[in-house]
Amino acid sequence: GNSVTQMEGPVTLSEEAFLTINCTYTATGYPSLFWYVQYPGEGLQLLLKATKADDKGSNKGFEATYRKETTSFHLEKGSVQVSDSAVYFCALRGFQKLVFGTGTRLLVSP
Amino acid sequence: DGGITQSPKYLFRKEGQNVTLSCEQNLNHDAMYWYRQDPGQGLRLIYYSQIVNDFQKGDIAEGYSVSREKKESFPLTVTSAQKNPTAFYLCASTDGGAANTGELFFGEGSRLTVL
Repeated sequence: GNSVTQMEGPVTLSEEAFLTINCTYTATGYPSLFWYVQYPGEGLQLLLKATKADDKGSNKGFEATYRKETTSFHLEKGSVQVSDSAVYFCALRGFQKLVFGTGTRLLVSP
Repeated sequence: DGGITQSPKYLFRKEGQNVTLSCEQNLNHDAMYWYRQDPGQGLRLIYYSQIVNDFQKGDIAEGYSVSREKKESFPLTVTSAQKNPTAFYLCASTDGGAANTGELFFGEGSRLTVL
């Protein structure tokens, strides 16, 4: 079946550091892939998405590239800010529903 | 503003009581979903509905029930049969059209605590 695996957190960085959060998936075919972000006490918000192989999703300085050869969709940002502290979820679109990873907490200190 | 409204934001329940969480959307979306979030376990799908008067069980439906009598509303009842109901519950919706790439729009969640 479809599944998503994310690196365990928390990821702790200083402001302006480079961020990578790894995400790999198992799926039939080539599903759409997503990164969602959850700030404390809130619901999830879509951060970026990619609908086919080699697509790059980007938003707010975050990027992720759909790599079918490695079945990966790693999230990157060149310079994180304190305000980026949140939980990040990788997800793929299965039949009629999204399948989420377990989430990775990012903590950014000044 | 268009969006998804969940209520209540916080709810306390005694063991043995049923509680109903409300989810309303004014996005004109066809499909609606309920997820449960526990620390370290990500989001798990409870129930989902693609159209009015129809819904399907997700991965952890036992101890929960739903209804979909109106397009904009998808309430979730946590019954006394749910063994460990303390969790954060998230409602979501999406446009069910053919061009839909699967993006979900989420409410702000309801935190249920069993005393």
